[in-house]
Amino acid sequence: KAGVTQTPRYLIKTRGQQVTLSCSPISGHRSVSWYQQTPGQGLQFLFEYFSETQRNKGNFPGRFSGRQFSNSRSEMNVSTLELGDSALYLCASSLGAGDGTEAFFGQGTRLTVV
Amino acid sequence: GIQVEQSPPDLILQEGANSTLRCNFSDSVNNLQWFHQNPWGQLINLFYIPSGTKQNGRLSATTVATERYSLLYISSSQTTDSGVYFCAVEDMFSGGYNKLIFGAGTRLAVHP
Repeated sequence: KAGVTQTPRYLIKTRGQQVTLSCSPISGHRSVSWYQQTPGQGLQFLFEYFSETQRNKGNFPGRFSGRQFSNSRSEMNVSTLELGDSALYLCASSLGAGDGTEAFFGQGTRLTVV
Repeated sequence: GIQVEQSPPDLILQEGANSTLRCNFSDSVNNLQWFHQNPWGQLINLFYIPSGTKQNGRLSATTVATERYSLLYISSSQTTDSGVYFCAVEDMFSGGYNKLIFGAGTRLAVHP
């Protein structure tokens, strides 16, 4: 079956702009989580959605937001982009019914802010 | 919050050598996964192993939950094993649904 699909793969944006990233989970998976990976901070959790509800949020400013649709697809939005937002953004898909379910990652979106 | 430490940070091997990567975590977990990050950035699932031992080809993993560590064994390493290996855990008591906490990774380079 198809894996986790993230679009676009690459993005270049200018400071101050906003960006929207998309993630389509594995069919049947209802949980989508988002992570940011930078050389300095490593992999950090952004937020998690299950059945269109945000259940958990990491320590990121309010410029980072997300949503999940009824088909479990999720989008992540970053407003007023800063140079420090340049990173690889990864989304993970899991069954998510409870804690401790295995997560599967997409190929990521590499965002460059100039 | 839970802390995850991986060692060694860097590892250089000759093709054919064996290696052991370690992951220590500071609290009880209900999920522990090992990933290999490929050169394009994708995290490839290696093992879902909150406890016990699993094997998949040349790779095997053991998690001793009561002692809060996990080991990833790579035998007869190949150049294609190069990359960064991450351990990630989910804190059992934080209520962090599907919130994985990652270690800093072990960067492995296998030379022919």
